[in-house]
Amino acid sequence: DIQMTQSPSSLSASVGDRVTITCRASQGISNSLAWYQQKPGKAPKLLLYAASRLESGVPSRFSGSGSGTDYTLTISSLQPEDFATYYCQQYYSTSITFGQGTRLEIK
Amino acid sequence: EVQLVQSGAEVKKPGESLRISCKGSEYSFATYWIGWVRQMPGKGLEWMGIIYPGDSDTRYSPSFQGRVTISADKSISTAYLHWSSLKASDTAMYYCARTSGSYSNWFDPWGQGTLVTVSS
Repeated sequence: DIQMTQSPSSLSASVGDRVTITCRASQGISNSLAWYQQKPGKAPKLLLYAASRLESGVPSRFSGSGSGTDYTLTISSLQPEDFATYYCQQYYSTSITFGQGTRLEIK
Repeated sequence: EVQLVQSGAEVKKPGESLRISCKGSEYSFATYWIGWVRQMPGKGLEWMGIIYPGDSDTRYSPSFQGRVTISADKSISTAYLHWSSLKASDTAMYYCARTSGSYSNWFDPWGQGTLVTVSS
């Protein structure tokens, strides 16, 4: 299986901050990467796919980039509703794997 | 609006069997893969397996192969996750989610989740 490693595991930030979360794959995944947001007690919500394509309805403060094995999710200006856990997911392999998650907390 | 609605929370004893369901609406259920994802308490997301309702082609994560059975009934737009003998370690939230078309792809939308509690 392709291992997905997110960093950091947790992060404290303030409203208005710019935040970056990194996801590293154990082998190249050719931009076959999605990002999800999960709030407590809720199902994950798709934010981006194909590493950088924004899902319809997702605010433009979310963006994604990367290539090969290294990918990032950036939130340009944190809003109160963005405090949640974020997961990356690779779909390059037929055995899908997720990162372990990054918990974004209010400072 | 494309929607997946899952069955309600379950409380079971070890050794019991269980089937939970995921009903799709407002799209052609038979032509999109449906996956199942486990989330143990306080933990991350784990892909369990996936099914194509059109012909019931099913793939499993090696971690879940032999532990669960995924099935679907396209006539009623419903996918299932089945355990023949539950363990306490099966206690988790289980989500179904639709892929965007091909087998290995991103998931959207997701069901609301089914909480399974296994306790003696």
